[in-house]
Amino acid sequence: QVQLVQSGAAVRRPGASVKVSCKVSGKTLTAFSIHWVRQTPGKGLEWMGGYEPEDGDSVYAQKFQGRVAMTEDTSTDTAYMELNSLTSEDTAIYFCAAESVVRVTLIRAFEYWGQGALVTVSS
Amino acid sequence: EIVLTQSPGTLSLSPWERATLSCRASQGVSNNYLAWYQQKLGQAPRLLIYGASTRATGIPDRFSGSGSGTDFTLTISRLDPEDFAVYFCQQYGSSTITFGQGTRLEIK
Repeated sequence: QVQLVQSGAAVRRPGASVKVSCKVSGKTLTAFSIHWVRQTPGKGLEWMGGYEPEDGDSVYAQKFQGRVAMTEDTSTDTAYMELNSLTSEDTAIYFCAAESVVRVTLIRAFEYWGQGALVTVSS
Repeated sequence: EIVLTQSPGTLSLSPWERATLSCRASQGVSNNYLAWYQQKLGQAPRLLIYGASTRATGIPDRFSGSGSGTDFTLTISRLDPEDFAVYFCQQYGSSTITFGQGTRLEIK
């Protein structure tokens, strides 16, 4: 069955960067549109961006534009999210989430989720 | 950006009761791309409903979704003890995705 397995927890200083990975198994990465969603107690679930199959490119939430990069390595079926210039406000659990793109019609919802990666930003 | 407002914030019910959760959008959700998720403590969200009313694979038929435009509802017909969790709605529109703030369903 399909699984998304993320990298482990990370601790970073303010101003640093973090790169979180998300390895797909059970199908190839190209069968999915991978998005990234973070969760904090105060702000709930927050979409950061992802691959938009109808555009053929990654799209980012305006809040994160210029500070986030989402990439994919199809040779290892792994997606990555790198967030730069971290502040304490970026302390959160980061999830990768996948929508199947091999359907006849896209459902615009996330059928598969990684287990989450806690990123703590602290001096 | 479309803002999703869920109500109530917390819903206290007993097993076997019926639960009705609301999700209201600040403007119309295109193509009814409205989904519902269940999240339990320490776990990732689980897709329940997409397209406002289609159950995801493996979801019991006690879960149903309805609505269109700006008003959407998730109904759980007979609560099972495993259904007590937090529920989120999510919309997709114009390459932007937003989530509601969640409804906590707790045992009365």
